[in-house]
Amino acid sequence: DVKVTQSSRYLVKRTGEKVFLECVQDMDHENMFWYRQDPGLGLRLIYFSYDVKMKEKGDIPEGYSVSREKKERFSLILESASTNQTSMYLCASTPRSGANVLTFGAGSRLTVL
Amino acid sequence: GDSVTQMEGPVTLSEEAFLTINCTYTATGYPSLFWYVQYPGEGLQLLLKATKADDKGSNKGFEATYRKETTSFHLEKGSVQVSDSAVYFCALGPNYGGSQGNLIFGKGTKLSVKP
Repeated sequence: DVKVTQSSRYLVKRTGEKVFLECVQDMDHENMFWYRQDPGLGLRLIYFSYDVKMKEKGDIPEGYSVSREKKERFSLILESASTNQTSMYLCASTPRSGANVLTFGAGSRLTVL
Repeated sequence: GDSVTQMEGPVTLSEEAFLTINCTYTATGYPSLFWYVQYPGEGLQLLLKATKADDKGSNKGFEATYRKETTSFHLEKGSVQVSDSAVYFCALGPNYGGSQGNLIFGKGTKLSVKP
């Protein structure tokens, strides 16, 4: 069963801490995405990547960075977590010619105190 | 810019009731349209899609027709079940290869079905 795995389902961090959210896919997909999901706001794109070592800003990149050193892994980094980054983070992937069919991970719920 | 507007929830229905969740969009060009569903505790998964005007997407008893004249992609099901309780997201995406997966999502509509 193909899948996107987010290593941490629930995290609690303190303001100012550095946070790493890891995402791994086993489908050899070229494209990977990080969204955040908030009630009443839906999904908003943070960053995406179309290839190893490539990254593009989405709609809300401020306060975040990403790393894609290997094709299967796409990491989201919060350099200095703040309370307004408390959210559900969703990773997704699709092949280059995937007709926009995203495969999502189960999500990582981050609470920043 | 491109955008998606879907009806706000929550929507509460009794089992076997008819479901409609409205979705309208604003886009340049000819986007593909999607409905994704998120069951409790899970990530989103594709429910159905349509890639051009007048296409009908269907899956698991759900249907949606791509209406270019009304810029709509309403989701319908004739008889909902308790297991359909979830959050439903309408989305649009580019209909060309360069930006595959860079979707614009609506805010989501939570559906609760009571037995």
